[in-house]
Order: sequence, then C-alpha cells, then structure tokens
Amino acid sequence: AQKVTQAQTEISVVEKEDVTLDCVYETRDTTYYLFWYKQPPSGELVFLIRRNSFDEQNEISGRYSWNFQKSTSSFNFTITASQVVDSAVYFCAPSGGYNKLIFGAGTRLAVHP
Amino acid sequence: DGGITQSPKYLFRKEGQNVTLSCEQNLNHDAMYWYRQDPGQGLRLIYYSQIVNDFQKGDIAEGYSVSREKKESFPLTVTSAQKNPTAFYLCASSKGTTYNEQFFGPGTRLTVL
Repeated sequence: AQKVTQAQTEISVVEKEDVTLDCVYETRDTTYYLFWYKQPPSGELVFLIRRNSFDEQNEISGRYSWNFQKSTSSFNFTITASQVVDSAVYFCAPSGGYNKLIFGAGTRLAVHP
Repeated sequence: DGGITQSPKYLFRKEGQNVTLSCEQNLNHDAMYWYRQDPGQGLRLIYYSQIVNDFQKGDIAEGYSVSREKKESFPLTVTSAQKNPTAFYLCASSKGTTYNEQFFGPGTRLTVL
C-alpha cells in the first residue's frame, strides 16, 4: 500500500535560514504523482507543486525548490531564506491511485523573527 | 472569484444528532472529496465523487454519508453512528480524476458536546 513518511515532526528556524523538509514515500505504482501542500494556521490547504514519477528534474519556484530522487523514493522540499509567513504545516502526498492522495502527519515549520 | 466554500466554519453538535456540512465549488470541477483531520495528524479520506450521482467510500466512511446531486455541491452528513466526530473537515475538488491537484476549501471545525 502507498505510504508517506515525513520524519521531521517539527522544525524551528530563524528567519532567513534555509530549511529542508524531508519526504519519503512507498508505492507499488509504476506511474504516480507527488504533491506538496501547505496548511497555514487558518487551516486551508494550499497546493504548492505536483510532480510525476517520470520527471526527475529538480524544480525551483521563487524561494521554493524540490528535489525528487526516484532511486531513494524521496521528494524533499527546500525553502530558501525562510520568512515568518512560511510558518505552517507542510504535507507531502503521493497519489494513491485514481486521484486519491495519501497524507502523512506533516511537518510543522515555525519561522521566528 | 472561483473557489470552494464550506459552511459553517464552526459547528457544535450534541451527541446523537446528525449534522450536515456544506461544500460548494464554482471551479467546474468534476471530482470532489471529503477529508477528516484530527489534531496533529494528516488528512484521511472519507468519501469522494468523480461525477454527479456517483460517489465512493474512502478509508473512513463509517458513520458518514454524502450525496452528489449537482456538480457544484457535495454535502457531508455526520451521523450519530460516527463514534468520534469531533474533527476538522476539509472539502476539496479537482478538475478530473487522473492525478490532478486537489484544491481545498477553508474547512469546518465540528465539535460534539
């Protein structure tokens, strides 16, 4: 069965530090997608990125970057020069077949001024 | 503005009562989903619908019911059979049912008194 592990329960950094959130997943599917979502204190999940299993290129979007390593089943997320507004819970979610998403417990990031 | 609305934001219910949570989207999305989130945990899928008048059970459907009579609407009823209904409920929608990103509403926080 599909499974995701975000080993870091909580991370605390000071503003402007870089921070990497780890994600390791398990899947038996040959084709699958990986997603990252952000959940700020308001509670609503915000979509950040979707990556398919055939595309191993790293992706950068402003201060955000993602490193996909299919060989180690990891899809890590890095925030460069963190800001207080980045404080949230971040979820990595692999697809679980037919557009189902598998959520782990997430990583709570606290960025302090 | 396109988006997903959920109402109410906070809901209190007495034990033994059924309660219905509203979810409406104007994104013209075919698929809709209901998730439950407990404190410090990830999201768990309750029900999903890929098309009007059709829906499937997710991982934790017991004690819940849904309907999908209109494309825009996917209400969730929490019945008295749900043993521990206090949680944060999130509704989502996606363009199709094949690995598309899901967009989430602001959530409803249900408390059973």
